[in-house]
Amino acid sequence: AQTVTQSQPEMSVQEAETVTLSCTYDTSENNYYLFWYKQPPSRQMILVIRQEAYKQQNATENRFSVNFQKAAKSFSLKISDSQLGDTAMYFCAFMIWGSGGSNYKLTFGKGTLLTVNP
Amino acid sequence: NAGVMQNPRHLVRRRGQEARLRCSPMKGHSHVYWYRQLPEEGLKFMVYLQKENIIDESGMPKERFSAEFPKEGPSILRIQQVVRGDSAAYFCASSPPFTRGRTYNEQFFGPGTRLTVL
Repeated sequence: AQTVTQSQPEMSVQEAETVTLSCTYDTSENNYYLFWYKQPPSRQMILVIRQEAYKQQNATENRFSVNFQKAAKSFSLKISDSQLGDTAMYFCAFMIWGSGGSNYKLTFGKGTLLTVNP
Repeated sequence: NAGVMQNPRHLVRRRGQEARLRCSPMKGHSHVYWYRQLPEEGLKFMVYLQKENIIDESGMPKERFSAEFPKEGPSILRIQQVVRGDSAAYFCASSPPFTRGRTYNEQFFGPGTRLTVL
């Protein structure tokens, strides 16, 4: 079974600064996807960024980037130039890769509440 | 293209009553997933359905919970004889059909239904 751990229940950052959210996971699988989802106060789940485990290059999406360390089973999210609209709960998630098997079941961490202060 | 629709957004039930949660997937999506988010927790997979078929219900409680996705109409998550521990946010996600060789299908989430059991 897969587990996802987010060790920071809450974090805060000043507007325009950079913040890093941590995530570790445990799996015996070799091929998988990792995700960061954002859940603002509206509670809508929004996909922020996705990383394929077989890719060594870290994924980036505008101000969002990840630091993927496969051997350490670590997947942190860096938010640059933080904006007030980034205030949200952030969830790290895992999905097995490949046809067949549970390649649809997302496993989530408990989340990190990020507050961006003006 | 409308997103995933869920209704009601908020549902209050007394212990022992039934709760029916509805999910209309995005247009063209034939796969539906239900997740439950308990307070202070991440989302947990409950069930995966395709039209008229339950593919994986490994995350569903053995009793009182059922799900369906009929040929016509929305997917329904039904909770009979609700108890206080059922209070949670219930999220539905949908994805398009898997295509040959494709190993990942993004899940698009609805806004969730917050169930409160008095």
